[in-house]
Amino acid sequence: DAGVIQSPRHEVTEMGQEVTLRCKPISGHNSLFWYRQTMMRGLELLIYFNNNVPIDDSGMPEDRFSAKMPNASFSTLKIQPSEPRDSAVYFCASSLRISGNTIYFGEGSWLTVV
Amino acid sequence: DAKTTQPPSMDCAEGRAANLPCNHSTISGNEYVYWYRQIHSQGPQYIIHGLKNNETNEMASLIITEDRKSSTLILPHATLRDTAVYYCIVRVSNTGNQFYFGTGTSLTVIP
Repeated sequence: DAGVIQSPRHEVTEMGQEVTLRCKPISGHNSLFWYRQTMMRGLELLIYFNNNVPIDDSGMPEDRFSAKMPNASFSTLKIQPSEPRDSAVYFCASSLRISGNTIYFGEGSWLTVV
Repeated sequence: DAKTTQPPSMDCAEGRAANLPCNHSTISGNEYVYWYRQIHSQGPQYIIHGLKNNETNEMASLIITEDRKSSTLILPHATLRDTAVYYCIVRVSNTGNQFYFGTGTSLTVIP
């Protein structure tokens, strides 16, 4: 069974450019999460969706960040315009929303904004 | 969700048991204890979870104290590939799905 698939794995972009990160959750999972990881702040939850609906976006740092989930098998995290301080590893994760469930992470998208 | 406290780092000799502690003194009765680990450059990986009974799977054992205020993750025979950051998380599993990760314990397995 394929795990959570993220793309691109690595991206280097110039400040001011738009960045789009993509995620395909595990088939059948109905919750999806976006995390960001930096040395300074560790793993931060940015936003999560249940059944394609955003439930909590309080972790989204600012208006430059937006996330969508148009269907159960695809989500995007967009940064526009990007800034050097957005450089981080962005992880997508998914889970089944049942008692005692766990979440499963993708391998991450390594973003560098220069 | 309850906060957790873990030592920032630990060492363990290869082949020995690694015992990673976690304090969660404010845990509520319906909160589970989860353990994840993150090997360098990879996404966090689920290890094990439990509510109040001790649990064992092919990766590890989870010992939860009777008052549930602390737990220990046990890797019975640590290998070099177990070198990673280990996160202890407590959460209510059926009220939203947020997992909040703390700073974890950086485990180094020494040859």
